[in-house]
Amino acid sequence: EVQLLESGGGLVQPGESLRLTCATSGFTFTTFAMAWVRQAPGKGLEWVSAISGSGTVTYYADSVKGRFTISRDNSKNTVYMQMNSLRVEDTARYYCANSVGRGGLRFDNWGQGTQLTVSS
Amino acid sequence: EIVMTQSPATLSVSPGERVTLSCRASQSFSGTLAWYQQKPGRAPRLLIYGASTRATDIPARFSGSESGTEFTLTISSLQSEDFAVYYCQQYSRWPITFGQGTRLEIK
Repeated sequence: EVQLLESGGGLVQPGESLRLTCATSGFTFTTFAMAWVRQAPGKGLEWVSAISGSGTVTYYADSVKGRFTISRDNSKNTVYMQMNSLRVEDTARYYCANSVGRGGLRFDNWGQGTQLTVSS
Repeated sequence: EIVMTQSPATLSVSPGERVTLSCRASQSFSGTLAWYQQKPGRAPRLLIYGASTRATDIPARFSGSESGTEFTLTISSLQSEDFAVYYCQQYSRWPITFGQGTRLEIK
């Protein structure tokens, strides 16, 4: 059974940093891309970032480029999101998702998410 | 950026009805579209990928199709568990983009 478990969310002030972690199991982690998708309260889904299976290729939404860094540790089956210079508008539930198909980044399996609140 | 526009925003339907949800893309692409279902307090669930392929364990009452820049999710006979928010997502070009969602509510 595929499992994705996010952690690391919390309440921070604008300008602060936080690191999210997504621990995975139940699939061949090194083979597949991973991504973060967020959802602000009462809003829709927003793709944030993605990383290739090898970890050598990364992608970011313009809204987080230069502030967020995605990485992965294939020895631990874990993906991370380092979030710096946090803004109020980054407040959202952050989901980790994998993409096990070919031909592009669809999101096959999702974690339950971790809540980030940025507020002074 | 490819903008995905879903319609309608909310749809009130009765159990047993057939329902069609629409998702229109601002640019043309083929096949790289997914549909997700999200229930309150839950993570999204992949329903359809490749515009028309059902994901694992998704019931046959869910189907997807495409025509030009218009993508459609059809639920042939609504069950009580199908009342949720549905999102489309394109994965043809970066950045990946989602539609704003269609809420299915009980009539």
